[in-house]
Amino acid sequence: GQNIDQPTEMTATEGAIVQINCTYQTSGFNGLFWYQQHAGEAPTFLSYNVLDGLEEKGRFSSFLSRSKGYSYLLLKELQMKDSASYLCAEGFQKLVFGTGTRLLVSP
Amino acid sequence: DAGVIQSPRHEVTEMGQEVTLRCKPISGHNSLFWYRQTMMRGLELLIYFNNNVPIDDSGMPEDRFSAKMPNASFSTLKIQPSEPRDSAVYFCASQLQGEAKNIQYFGAGTRLSVL
Repeated sequence: GQNIDQPTEMTATEGAIVQINCTYQTSGFNGLFWYQQHAGEAPTFLSYNVLDGLEEKGRFSSFLSRSKGYSYLLLKELQMKDSASYLCAEGFQKLVFGTGTRLLVSP
Repeated sequence: DAGVIQSPRHEVTEMGQEVTLRCKPISGHNSLFWYRQTMMRGLELLIYFNNNVPIDDSGMPEDRFSAKMPNASFSTLKIQPSEPRDSAVYFCASQLQGEAKNIQYFGAGTRLSVL
């Protein structure tokens, strides 16, 4: 079976940096995704890692260590609009999602 | 592009009634996914299609749930009869199979309340 773990909730202040961790246990690894979901809206794609290392895209970066079953999403220069849930998911087409980390950014 | 289009956006029905949720994928995408999201269980894959053919329906809760994809531009998820525990947000997503990052694009969802 598959298991995805991530913290339920995190808080941070505007302008800060926050790291959201995700650990996974799978029988076979196919790729690690991060999605952002604002309250009442659809999930939207943020990043995809299939090889170890850091992928940077603007203020957001995602890291993967396949040997440790570990990923993190790094958000820099936090803005109020970054308040949302961040979903970690593993798979190829058949994605298994974590329950999400709700991030609250305060002024 | 208009993105993935789902209808209705909200559905309120009574226990025992049939519910049909509709999805139009992004034009040109050849994979379609149905998900259910609840506070308790998060986002769960129910079923997905490649080229209109169901590939994996292991996430479908029980026989009350069925999904069809009669053509490349339309899919339905039907619940018959509906029960209060089916209350959730149902998302449809589409994907261009073979694209490098395997990104799934989600519709706005249907919020279902079964009374």
